[in-house]
Amino acid sequence: QSALTQPPSASGSPGQSVAISCTGTSGDVGAYDSVSWYQQHPGKAPRLMIYEVNKRPSGVPDRFSGSKSGNTASLTVSGLQAEDEADYYCSSYAGSNTFYVFGTGTKVTVL
Amino acid sequence: EVQLVESGGGLVQPGGSLRLSCVGSGFTLSDYWMHWARQAPGKGLVWVSHIKGDGTNPGYADSVKGRFIISRDNAKNTLYLQMNSLRVEDTAVYYCGRGGVVASLDLWGQGALVSVSS
Repeated sequence: QSALTQPPSASGSPGQSVAISCTGTSGDVGAYDSVSWYQQHPGKAPRLMIYEVNKRPSGVPDRFSGSKSGNTASLTVSGLQAEDEADYYCSSYAGSNTFYVFGTGTKVTVL
Repeated sequence: EVQLVESGGGLVQPGGSLRLSCVGSGFTLSDYWMHWARQAPGKGLVWVSHIKGDGTNPGYADSVKGRFIISRDNAKNTLYLQMNSLRVEDTAVYYCGRGGVVASLDLWGQGALVSVSS
């Protein structure tokens, strides 16, 4: 049950865009359109930002968008704001033996 | 208000047991798959276990299989995680989560800290 691979950090200035990758395998990210993205501020619970690769729950700003190509999914945050500074985790369904796997996490810094 | 609230965390010695509870409010727990995930200090999220709305089909991560048991009491809108044979590496904040659309967790509790140490 290896974690999905994310870059440890990403950064951008206010108003800019930042993209975070999430690389898995043909058994998880590549096999299912079930990639989700979560935002976690320090000391807080995670919050769902994207589900089913590119869908946003109610209340999530449209500055957040998701995509997938092959075994790699991506989260893009456009028009960066100070409150976007947080850790971001991807996750994917991984079949009926492994079930679910999270990414290693990416710390986004707003410069 | 729609929310999940965990309880039952604490300090336990290696080899000991602990039971976490997660009470849901503002929605009907039985309508949803429910999950447990954990986060060791300074580390990333790790999925632990899930259970179907009717209490069937429990699933576990390999790291806890045979030691942890997930269950639920829908009449009490409560999810449980019985943790046995605890190890130092089980130390983490444990979160319960509501299963949303297509393998997402759309609602999370605030977390319960479990510390395993002698």
